[in-house]
Amino acid sequence: QSALTQPASVSGSPGQSITISCTGTSSDVGRYKYVSWYQQHPGKAPKLMIYEVSNRPTGVSYRFSGSKSGITASLTISGVQAEDEADYYCSSYTTSTTPGVVFGGGTKLTVL
Amino acid sequence: EVQLVESGGDLVQPGGSLRLSCTASGFTFSNYWMHWVRQAPGKGLVWVSRIKTDGSDTSYADSVKGRFTISRDNAKDTLYLQMNSLRADDTAVYYCVRIYCSGGTCFNEAFDYWGQGTLVTVSS
Repeated sequence: QSALTQPASVSGSPGQSITISCTGTSSDVGRYKYVSWYQQHPGKAPKLMIYEVSNRPTGVSYRFSGSKSGITASLTISGVQAEDEADYYCSSYTTSTTPGVVFGGGTKLTVL
Repeated sequence: EVQLVESGGDLVQPGGSLRLSCTASGFTFSNYWMHWVRQAPGKGLVWVSRIKTDGSDTSYADSVKGRFTISRDNAKDTLYLQMNSLRADDTAVYYCVRIYCSGGTCFNEAFDYWGQGTLVTVSS
């Protein structure tokens, strides 16, 4: 189960929009709608931000949105705020070897 | 309030064994698939294992298959991870996580509640 590929870092100024990509394979992102995104602040447990590609759990800001095309999923944060500075991880259901979950390597978002 | 409290993390020598526990409260534990996810110091999240509501279906990451065993005791609202033949690359914080359910539908690959984590260090 190889990790999904994410950029190591992205940055943006307050108010800008940023997009984080997550590239998988035909055994995970490309085959299933079960892509999730998590936000993790230093020293904290991850927080679910997006599930099933584009759905937001109750309480998550509308500024966070998700999409997918082929083997690549994306997380977009509109109107980036200082509090959004964190690590972001994508995940997907996978059947590459045994059924389970595979995470991306994580992307550090820096708000300039 | 939903709570997941892990315990059992420790310093162990390579080749040793450890059993992690996760005590759940604030929800009907027996209704939820549960997973273990780990994070090595300064590194990313890695999925470890999952177990069905009644324990009848389990799955493991390739890196731990044959060495780790996930189980649960619904009467005690507790999830376990038995770890054998531990290696240095198993060193990580281990999180117990619950799947996300909303409106009567559960999403087995999305995790809405995470414990605080328990640190396993494998070193001589």
